Amino acid sequence: EAQVTQNPRYLITVTGKKLTVTCSQNMNHEYMSWYRQDPGLGLRQIYYSMNVEVTDKGDVPEGYKVSRKEKRNFPLILESPSPNQTSLYFCASSPLGGVGGANVLTFGAGSRLTVL
Amino acid sequence: AQKITQTQPGMFVQEKEAVTLDCTYDTSDPSYGLFWYKQPSSGEMIFLIYQGSYDQQNATEGRYSLNFQKARKSANLVISASQLGDSAMYFCAMSPPYNAGNMLTFGGGTRLMVKP
Repeated sequence: EAQVTQNPRYLITVTGKKLTVTCSQNMNHEYMSWYRQDPGLGLRQIYYSMNVEVTDKGDVPEGYKVSRKEKRNFPLILESPSPNQTSLYFCASSPLGGVGGANVLTFGAGSRLTVL
Repeated sequence: AQKITQTQPGMFVQEKEAVTLDCTYDTSDPSYGLFWYKQPSSGEMIFLIYQGSYDQQNATEGRYSLNFQKARKSANLVISASQLGDSAMYFCAMSPPYNAGNMLTFGGGTRLMVKP
């Protein structure tokens, strides 16, 4: 089954304790992205990657890091989490190069993170 | 910069009736894509429908149609014959030109509740 897999789905941690949310896709997609969802704000893009070793900042990159060493994986790293990073996080992927609606994002199931 | 506005935080509809979810957008680019996603209570993001800015006809997908009014910069989602399973959050989103469906800017969402 074609899918984007995120882990963990739920996590409670404390301020300052480094954590990584993994994301893996099995569709050979070039493009991968991380979003955070907060009430009333919709989804906001954190980082994205057009291909291996190519990453770029989205709208809200502060406090996050990413890496793209392999095409299928795009982990999100919180080096020193703070309470304002409590949120629902989504990883998504899509192909590149299509036109129109060809590059629709496929989302993972979401990871709910609480930072105390 | 692109901006998406959904002015209805929440709304009710009677089962089997049609409902319109509003979405307005702002962009100076002549080429863009408009998307609607559904987020049920389980949390996953489900792609519903796509409209390209140069498409001559309004997009339709089953019970979903997009009422695209380019001059008004609106892209309202119409759900016909509402079902209980339509109860969910709905997000309107926009992609920049030539980037298809990847780098989406999302609105704040509308929570739809279908009454039996």
